[in-house]
Amino acid sequence: QSALTQPASVSGSPGQSITISCTGTSSDVGGYNYVSWYQQHPGKAPKLMIYDVSNRPSGVSNRFSGSKSGNTASLTISGLQAEDEADYSCSSYTSSSTHVVFGGGTKVTVL
Amino acid sequence: QVQLVQSGAEVKKPGAAVKVSCKASGYTFTSHYMHWVRQAPGQGLEWMGIINPSGGSTSYAQKFQGRITMTRDTSTSTVYMDLSTLRSDDTAVYYCTRDGAQLIAAAGYYFDFWGQGTLVTVSS
Repeated sequence: QSALTQPASVSGSPGQSITISCTGTSSDVGGYNYVSWYQQHPGKAPKLMIYDVSNRPSGVSNRFSGSKSGNTASLTISGLQAEDEADYSCSSYTSSSTHVVFGGGTKVTVL
Repeated sequence: QVQLVQSGAEVKKPGAAVKVSCKASGYTFTSHYMHWVRQAPGQGLEWMGIINPSGGSTSYAQKFQGRITMTRDTSTSTVYMDLSTLRSDDTAVYYCTRDGAQLIAAAGYYFDFWGQGTLVTVSS
């Protein structure tokens, strides 16, 4: 069981917007602005999409955005495209001895 | 360009140990922390630990304390992850991944570049 809770799957049609939630506690998501998001295609290594809650690395499309409210962080993908179909995982720094916790991942399907 | 190249797949028996290497290139090796993250088949990502390539200091997830050792060789820009007393539930893809923050500013705990992954299979 993962420390951060994500929905198992989210789907949308091309051009639509979808939002993936990532719920933790005040010891991780709620307590620090160290939330990041990763995209992972089957058989591939994860790719950083968002860091420090809402910052986008260079080269990542501005269709991807991040936010946080309380103990829940969110990743929004706008203008959904076929290439966005992948697994998305959130991560947060935590004050526990684990230092970093991940969500279980959300499978995004483009209908 | 930043590259992290890991060693090849391993098959180990329960109780054995495995050592995975990760060679970095395209940036100053000592300027970023390095982490190890693993992913069991069909499961989520799991953080294992962090190493400071400059001084060699480490911090491990409590779950792996006593079984894991991370080291580095600055002459070859390589980090290593040793995991001992392997069990079947250690079967996973192991990734090295670079911390996105400059080391001088402390770890950012986000991962901007990843190795290709090393599959470790533990089976009798």
